[in-house]
Amino acid sequence: DTGVSQNPRHKITKRGQNVTFRCDPISEHNRLYWYRQTLGQGPEFLTYFQNEAQLEKSRLLSDRFSAERPKGSFSTLEIQRTEQGDSAMYLCASSLEEADNEQFFGPGTRLTVL
Amino acid sequence: SQELEQSPQSLIVQEGKNLTINCTSSKTLYGLYWYKQKYGEGLIFLMMLQKGGEEKSHEKITAKLDEKKQQSSLHITASQPSHAGIYLCGADLEYGNKLVFGAGTILRVKS
Repeated sequence: DTGVSQNPRHKITKRGQNVTFRCDPISEHNRLYWYRQTLGQGPEFLTYFQNEAQLEKSRLLSDRFSAERPKGSFSTLEIQRTEQGDSAMYLCASSLEEADNEQFFGPGTRLTVL
Repeated sequence: SQELEQSPQSLIVQEGKNLTINCTSSKTLYGLYWYKQKYGEGLIFLMMLQKGGEEKSHEKITAKLDEKKQQSSLHITASQPSHAGIYLCGADLEYGNKLVFGAGTILRVKS
C-alpha cells in the first residue's frame, strides 16, 4: 500500500447533477477525513470517520453532501444537485487513532461544476 | 482559517537564499503540521511539532514551535527550485481531531 488514493482525479459535471468520489485510505488507518480546498485557500474540514462511524460533520457540509464508510475501509463522498459553488478540490486523508494524529493526504479530486 | 494566520502570503526568493514562513494561532496548538503542496495536487507531509520549544529538521528545512505553542516557523536554508510550491501549516486545535489550516504561502524560487 503506497498511500491514500482517490478517484476520479478530475470530474467535470453540469449544475444539478450528482457526483460521487471515492477514497481508499492507507491500510489499517482507522481514521479517514474529507476536506475541501478552494483556490488560494487551505483545506477546510468537512467530515471524519473512525472506522465506519461518522464522528463529526462540519457546518460546511450541507444536506446535499453525504459521506459513507460502510466497512471501515474505503469512503465515498456524494454531492447531490451540484452547484457552481461546489467547484473545488476534494481531499481525503487518513491516520491512525493515536495522539500524534499524523494525517496522510491523497492526491485529491478536482471538481468543476459548469 | 482565521484561527491560523500564515505569513507571508507569497514569497519570491533567489536560488540559494534563506527564507522563513510563519504560522500563528489564536489558540494553543496540540499539534502543528507543515505540509507542502504543488498546484493541483495533494499535500505532502513535511513535519509535525507537538512540544513547546520543539525543533525538527529535514534536509534543508527546519521547523520550530514556540514555547507557548501558539506560533511556528518554517525555515528553508539555501533554497532550490525544488522547494517551490505552496506551504501550508495545519493545526490540531482539539486534540486528536480535525486539522485547521492556514491559507498557505506560495513560494517561488528564481534560478
